[in-house]
Amino acid sequence: GIQVEQSPPDLILQEGANSTLRCNFSDSVNNLQWFHQNPWGQLINLFYIPSGTKQNGRLSATTVATERYSLLYISSSQTTDSGVYFCAVSTGANSKLTFGKGITLSVRP
Amino acid sequence: GAVVSQHPSWVICKSGTSVKIECRSLDFQATTMFWYRQFPKQSLMLMATSNEGSKATYEQGVEKDKFLINHASLTLSTLTVTSAHPEDSSFYICSPRRASSYNEQFFGPGTRLTVL
Repeated sequence: GIQVEQSPPDLILQEGANSTLRCNFSDSVNNLQWFHQNPWGQLINLFYIPSGTKQNGRLSATTVATERYSLLYISSSQTTDSGVYFCAVSTGANSKLTFGKGITLSVRP
Repeated sequence: GAVVSQHPSWVICKSGTSVKIECRSLDFQATTMFWYRQFPKQSLMLMATSNEGSKATYEQGVEKDKFLINHASLTLSTLTVTSAHPEDSSFYICSPRRASSYNEQFFGPGTRLTVL
């Protein structure tokens, strides 16, 4: 099956700093989503981005499908950005999502 | 929007009892429902996939007789953990997929199961 690798596994930032989270995948995808899992376990959809670039406030994401990677940018980080960020991909029309191992982000005040 | 509810949010039960978890898509219809579980500090692992009105398809290593899934309508799916044991303690998350031209998935808030 498809492999999903996220890096770095852990990230510690000072409030206000910027960061880039990376997701590499091993095959062509028709779905790529970024999620933020908050400390209570809720998965929050950040982006549905199988290709191209999107922005939502301080967050933006870019997926280069031909090179099989996606990047999530967080600017001016806040303590509420802390949590685990997951990238998940699927191939085929009705295929299941395969999750990466996640990136644990800690933003310190 | 894409609002998903899951009930209960947490449950503690004795070994040997059965626990039912409900998942509802409140403002959209879900033709497909995915059930995941997550152990502490790990990623989400898919347990099973179900389509409305059909039997669920279970991932390798997931016992279908232990984890009963019902997807009776486009807005409701249930997961029943039968004869629960301490090793079943985990965080269970449902994920309905909206019937649309996109295959974006949304996630419920999860149910934390503790089996004593």
